[in-house]
Amino acid sequence: GQNIDQPTEMTATEGAIVQINCTYQTSGFNGLFWYQQHAGEAPTFLSYNVLDGLEEKGRFSSFLSRSKGYSYLLLKELQMKDSASYLCAVSPGSRKLIFGQGTELSVKP
Amino acid sequence: EAQVTQNPRYLITVTGKKLTVTCSQNMNHEYMSWYRQDPGLGLRQIYYSMNVEVTDKGDVPEGYKVSRKEKRNFPLILESPSPNQTSLYFCASSSAGLTYEQYFGPGTRLTVT
Repeated sequence: GQNIDQPTEMTATEGAIVQINCTYQTSGFNGLFWYQQHAGEAPTFLSYNVLDGLEEKGRFSSFLSRSKGYSYLLLKELQMKDSASYLCAVSPGSRKLIFGQGTELSVKP
Repeated sequence: EAQVTQNPRYLITVTGKKLTVTCSQNMNHEYMSWYRQDPGLGLRQIYYSMNVEVTDKGDVPEGYKVSRKEKRNFPLILESPSPNQTSLYFCASSSAGLTYEQYFGPGTRLTVT
């Protein structure tokens, strides 16, 4: 089957760094995405990885290891507005997209 | 403004009464997709379309139909809604580019009684 696992909830302090992990098992691999979703809103795109390594974009970075079926999203200099759900999604091919359940991140002062 | 629109945003209906949720995008995107989001289950793909007249099933297509007669529109049809289709529905679109970042509509909250 196809499976994507990420922690349900995480809590971090404003100004700190947090790492959200995602592991996956899929029939194929055509890229891994991270989306951010604030409560009551639509998901918005954060990053895309298809090759191994780290992709940095401002305060957010995403890492991929295809051999380990593993990715993480790193958020630096946390701000209160970063409180949201973070969704890991994998494309097994043919433009299908499988999402994990999401990680609810709470940033506290 | 580049956007994906969905209508209606909220809908309460009864079992068996056919309904259509519309989705439209103004970015000339080839790819469009429908998802439902349920607590504890995350986002699950219902149907997707690679281009006009090209559609394919996602993970949870049962009870839904779609059509793609025009590039900008991708309606979701529930021929005979049932209470287990009560959910939050999102439409999304993306270009055919390598990273295919998806742009999501604002969501439609459907309740079937």
